Amino acid sequence: NAGVTQTPKFQVLKTGQSMTLQCAQDMNHEYMSWYRQDPGMGLRLIHYSVGAGITDQGEVPNGYNVSRSTTEDFPLRLLSAAPSQTSVYFCASSRVGQGVSPLHFGNGTRLTVT
Amino acid sequence: ILNVEQSPQSLHVQEGDSTNFTCSFPSSNFYALHWYRWETAKSPEALFVMTLNGDEKKKGRISATLNTKEGYSYLYIKGSQPEDSATYLCAFKGNTGNQFYFGTGTSLTVIP
Repeated sequence: NAGVTQTPKFQVLKTGQSMTLQCAQDMNHEYMSWYRQDPGMGLRLIHYSVGAGITDQGEVPNGYNVSRSTTEDFPLRLLSAAPSQTSVYFCASSRVGQGVSPLHFGNGTRLTVT
Repeated sequence: ILNVEQSPQSLHVQEGDSTNFTCSFPSSNFYALHWYRWETAKSPEALFVMTLNGDEKKKGRISATLNTKEGYSYLYIKGSQPEDSATYLCAFKGNTGNQFYFGTGTSLTVIP
């Protein structure tokens, strides 16, 4: 069972470069989300989606774009990377009515911006 | 932005000890409270989803209780084993919007 697949696992960018973090799930989950994990802080929501064609901002959306063209995929785009975006990024999905369904997490992407 | 607090931040216990830790969250507009276990170099995995005041959930030696009126949940581990070493996260969801708010976690180390 693949579950939630994130790529790449590691990435180093220079300031100003752009890149896309990929997230795919094979559980037919309507809800998908991106979090960042920074030392001393809880997981913070960047963007989320409740279905194909629907996205919304979370707690820390600045500097990131998302789109949801299919149920399976939810890519996260960094438009112009900044050192403040150095973090570990997690994609998570769950069934609709997601408050009572657990989140399923990918294995994370460790991003360093120099 | 909601405040979800977990205590203690870290905990070291001897193998066989029982332990517990706390998640505090807003007592108004409650919808759900999740507990996750996060092992080093892995991704968080769900332990419990709790929705009703007074809920008690159990999974093997791990159990959790929920008090939505006062805004806290306890996670208990009975007879801790080294394989229980992990960070335990709680996540709060209110009854508006689609956001989960995570605590910073309790890091548990069980010493053999």
